[in-house]
Amino acid sequence: SQQGEEDPQALSIQEGENATMNCSYKTSINNLQWYRQNSGRGLVHLILIRSNEREKHSGRLRVTLDTSKKSSSLLITASRAADTASYFCATDDTGGFKTIFGAGTRLFVKA
Amino acid sequence: ETGVTQTPRHLVMGMTNKKSLKCEQHLGHNAMYWYKQSAKKPLELMFVYNFKEQTENNSVPSRFSPECPNSSHLFLHLHTLQPEDSALYLCASRKTGEAGGYTFGSGTRLTVV
Repeated sequence: SQQGEEDPQALSIQEGENATMNCSYKTSINNLQWYRQNSGRGLVHLILIRSNEREKHSGRLRVTLDTSKKSSSLLITASRAADTASYFCATDDTGGFKTIFGAGTRLFVKA
Repeated sequence: ETGVTQTPRHLVMGMTNKKSLKCEQHLGHNAMYWYKQSAKKPLELMFVYNFKEQTENNSVPSRFSPECPNSSHLFLHLHTLQPEDSALYLCASRKTGEAGGYTFGSGTRLTVV
């Protein structure tokens, strides 16, 4: 089965609410990355968290990493309609050369 | 624009056609990648090039043929494709040796008829 698995597969919230997406993985990692993809476009790198970090912030984004549970979460605070997109986690193996992407969470923010 | 440019954006081709996808970056990245994205499936890594050398071919059928003439350009040559090859093909680049994210192009939406 795939390395990164996002949960939930789809999420619908009202503008202003917080959105939380989770990612689980199976093997040891060097780092974990989150990406955003608008419909039919390429992925945009949002944030990278290294295996020795537990939490990272970037604007309205907060990422946590729990290596003991092999899981990560992405929190988007005060969501906006423009946050509507698919969000993917990706893990780099400890060799640092192989990245595996999950199937993504589709987020829909209603105005 | 992300700095990774893919052309064409859309492509419709018959199963007997030969076409090529192009990817270009001038970010100083030394690694370039082709990914395939099908509906409701994770991104599938197809090919990896480091410093123009192919370092990974992820069991991709021979009807897909990559070419990397230099660290800034990457091609994917297509011939005798099948309808199930219809997908979004994404090019990405990054600098190896640094734990950083990928920069993706906007993709080529390929439809095989």
